[in-house]
Amino acid sequence: SQQGEEDPQALSIQEGENATMNCSYKTSINNLQWYRQNSGRGLVHLILIRSNEREKHSGRLRVTLDTSKKSSSLLITASRAADTASYFCATGEFSGGYNKLIFGAGTRLAVHP
Amino acid sequence: GAGVSQTPSNKVTEKGKYVELRCDPISGHTALYWYRQSLGQGPEFLIYFQGTGAADDSGLPNDRFFAVRPEGSVSTLKIQRTERGDSAVYLCASSLPERGQRANTGELFFGEGSRLTVL
Repeated sequence: SQQGEEDPQALSIQEGENATMNCSYKTSINNLQWYRQNSGRGLVHLILIRSNEREKHSGRLRVTLDTSKKSSSLLITASRAADTASYFCATGEFSGGYNKLIFGAGTRLAVHP
Repeated sequence: GAGVSQTPSNKVTEKGKYVELRCDPISGHTALYWYRQSLGQGPEFLIYFQGTGAADDSGLPNDRFFAVRPEGSVSTLKIQRTERGDSAVYLCASSLPERGQRANTGELFFGEGSRLTVL
């Protein structure tokens, strides 16, 4: 089963524009993570935000978390063609002493030169 | 190696055959996860190991699927009597020990996956 739902399913923008992806989830979480996946490759961790945090930055990435609305957003500023990939949010809960991650269906981002 | 290694990268088999997929996690990572990803979907949780034991196998779809990690390092996902619906990319991930033992960022490190095609 998948907890997170990303919106939009697909996003097409020009280089230099900002890309915003949203994620909604259903149950209580300990943390929320965003991953990136290039076509045919494995997932790469981008950023983690804990349930007691509201915003986090990493380079051109900005993540927000609203636990009251059970939603998160990922903003990529000044996008580049190399940012073209699928982006997944994953909700984590420390269940039985480990961080169980449940992934959404992802947003497919295309950045055109 | 520095990252999570999965073999084979591609496996084509016939319906009804037995398949083994191997995962070699990052050295020192005691937590190991298997996920399955169908085309256009996000990864779906299958099973989690802490050390040698399967702490959570709630994601295994049925009893044709089984995974082992006998020495707490390499893991093998085994699929018996494969069906066409088993076709997917099987992803393995590892992470640092659980909280309380060493710093646990909660980040998973993924391998490149094993693409299984059942004809």
